[in-house]
Amino acid sequence: EAQVTQNPRYLITVTGKKLTVTCSQNMNHEYMSWYRQDPGLGLRQIYYSMNVEVTDKGDVPEGYKVSRKEKRNFPLILESPSPNQTSLYFCASSSRGEEYEQYFGPGTRLTVT
Amino acid sequence: AQTVTQSQPEMSVQEAETVTLSCTYDTSESDYYLFWYKQPPSRQMILVIRQEAYKQQNATENRFSVNFQKAAKSFSLKISDSQLGDAAMYFCAYRPYNNNDMRFGAGTRLTVKP
Repeated sequence: EAQVTQNPRYLITVTGKKLTVTCSQNMNHEYMSWYRQDPGLGLRQIYYSMNVEVTDKGDVPEGYKVSRKEKRNFPLILESPSPNQTSLYFCASSSRGEEYEQYFGPGTRLTVT
Repeated sequence: AQTVTQSQPEMSVQEAETVTLSCTYDTSESDYYLFWYKQPPSRQMILVIRQEAYKQQNATENRFSVNFQKAAKSFSLKISDSQLGDAAMYFCAYRPYNNNDMRFGAGTRLTVKP
């Protein structure tokens, strides 16, 4: 089954404790992205990647890091989380070809206290 | 930078009636893609319909259709014969042709009244 998986689905952590949210896709997609969703703001792109070892900043990259060492994986790293990073996070992937639809993961609800 | 605006935070429709959700966008590109996504309470993002900017014909998917006005940079979604299962948050999105810098609107929450 074609899918994007994210882990964990829910996470409560404390300020300053480094964390990683994993994202993996099994569709051999070149493009991958991370978004955060906040009420009244829709989805805002944090980082995106066009291929292995190629990443670009989106709208709200501050406080986040990403890496794309393998085509299927695109982890999101919060080196020192703060309460303003409490949000719902989505990973997505898509092909650069005709099938350009973005496939979204199920979301990760992160709370930073 | 490209922006996407959804001016209706909330909309409601009677079951079996028709509703139109508005979306405008700003871009200097000539080739791009536009999307409508549905997000039910499960939070899963579900693609409803998509439109390639180079196609003049409006996209249609069963009860869902769009009115794409390229010159006006407008991309509205029409839902016909509304059903209770259509109740959700709807997001309009824009993506340039040659990269992955996708932009979303703030969303419109649709309520369907029985």
